[in-house]
Amino acid sequence: GENVGLHLPTLSVQEGDNSIINCAYSNSASDYFIWYKQESGKGPQFIIDIRSNMDKRQGQRVTVLLNKTVKHLSLQIAATQPGDSAVYFCAEAPQDSNYQLIWGAGTKLIIKP
Amino acid sequence: GAGVSQSPRYKVAKRGQDVALRCDPISGHVSLFWYQQALGQGPEFLTYFQNEAQLDKSGLPSDRFFAERPEGSVSTLKIQRTQQEDSAVYLCASSLYRGEYTEAFFGQGTRLTVV
Repeated sequence: GENVGLHLPTLSVQEGDNSIINCAYSNSASDYFIWYKQESGKGPQFIIDIRSNMDKRQGQRVTVLLNKTVKHLSLQIAATQPGDSAVYFCAEAPQDSNYQLIWGAGTKLIIKP
Repeated sequence: GAGVSQSPRYKVAKRGQDVALRCDPISGHVSLFWYQQALGQGPEFLTYFQNEAQLDKSGLPSDRFFAERPEGSVSTLKIQRTQQEDSAVYLCASSLYRGEYTEAFFGQGTRLTVV
């Protein structure tokens, strides 16, 4: 399969523990942010999003935190499972575009049994 | 099928050869996106279609890259005179709505290797 994570920062987490993946975004004018999950050999899959007028949003086992002051985004995954192993990308949407996304470099999450 | 389908799954091309990559979006989806993903990096936007209209092609790296969606459904990304730097995974995504990337579904991609 595809080896997307060959040169990516890697985070190893014990199964059942919580994980935090961080992302620094580039454009202070971006007003919308998305986290994607990409498993080996597959296309990216939407996880959760957040708008710039919020600083926290929760989903099922996932929480996204946004700190606009330092242009930082984080994804928290609770009680990690083997199926969470993947590469995680943050993406930002500029204010003047409703279809172009700027993607970060990605973090490879490895779940240890 | 139920999802976005891309073909071929893998393509090896000799430098200078032309290639055509196909994307079958989810039926009825208005928006279609092409992305290029280099090894170990995030996807980079190439082009965007709304039905058959190519509204943005600003991400295409050179005039060797050409995309079409003549009937507003299937799309083809063509690369002429391939070069080694074209080696990447080419991802297609479709969305029911206009430009709504939150609702965009990605295909598995075509891995292009230029030798």
